[in-house]
Amino acid sequence: DARVTQTPRHKVTEMGQEVTMRCQPILGHNTVFWYRQTMMQGLELLAYFRNRAPLDDSGMPKDRFSAEMPDATLATLKIQPSEPRDSAVYFCASGNSGQVYNEQFFGPGTRLTVL
Amino acid sequence: AQTVTQSQPEMSVQEAETVTLSCTYDTSESDYYLFWYKQPPSRQMILVIRQEAYKQQNATENRFSVNFQKAAKSFSLKISDSQLGDAAMYFCAYCWSGGGADGLTFGKGTHLIIQP
Repeated sequence: DARVTQTPRHKVTEMGQEVTMRCQPILGHNTVFWYRQTMMQGLELLAYFRNRAPLDDSGMPKDRFSAEMPDATLATLKIQPSEPRDSAVYFCASGNSGQVYNEQFFGPGTRLTVL
Repeated sequence: AQTVTQSQPEMSVQEAETVTLSCTYDTSESDYYLFWYKQPPSRQMILVIRQEAYKQQNATENRFSVNFQKAAKSFSLKISDSQLGDAAMYFCAYCWSGGGADGLTFGKGTHLIIQP
């Protein structure tokens, strides 16, 4: 049963610390998305990659956030330094640009708490 | 830029009854996809139903159906014979179809409560 995996599932850290979230997309998918969910803003697209190249990161705060795909099986989202306002659930999703409906498959999310 | 609006923060329905969740969107594009996602307390995002903008026929998936009104930019979700397991947050989402797999724009969500 193919699924998107994310690690860690939960992360509690202190303000100023570096946070790295990892995502393993479904094998064969060529597009990876990062979303953030907060009570105030809802679900927001942060960035996405196609064939490991960044296509759009306009939703991401550039000064402290960075997203990369070191290889086709791993996507990372880093926050350095972290701030309390970064507390949220971060979702990774993967899809295939050749699929009908552009369906995206979501991972279980990483719940980040910055104290 | 496209926007998605869900005007009902919360809805309540009796078990076995029918409920309709509203969604409107704004876009200048003519080719796009619309989705309804369900998010139970586990936080997992589950695709409920999807619709291509060029298809006039409304999508159905078992007890779930949509009323897609392209001219009005409206995309409501009807859940028939509501079950306790339907209780969740429901998100309406839009995706432009012209760029391959593009990012989703979500509404703020509707919290659906099922009364036993």
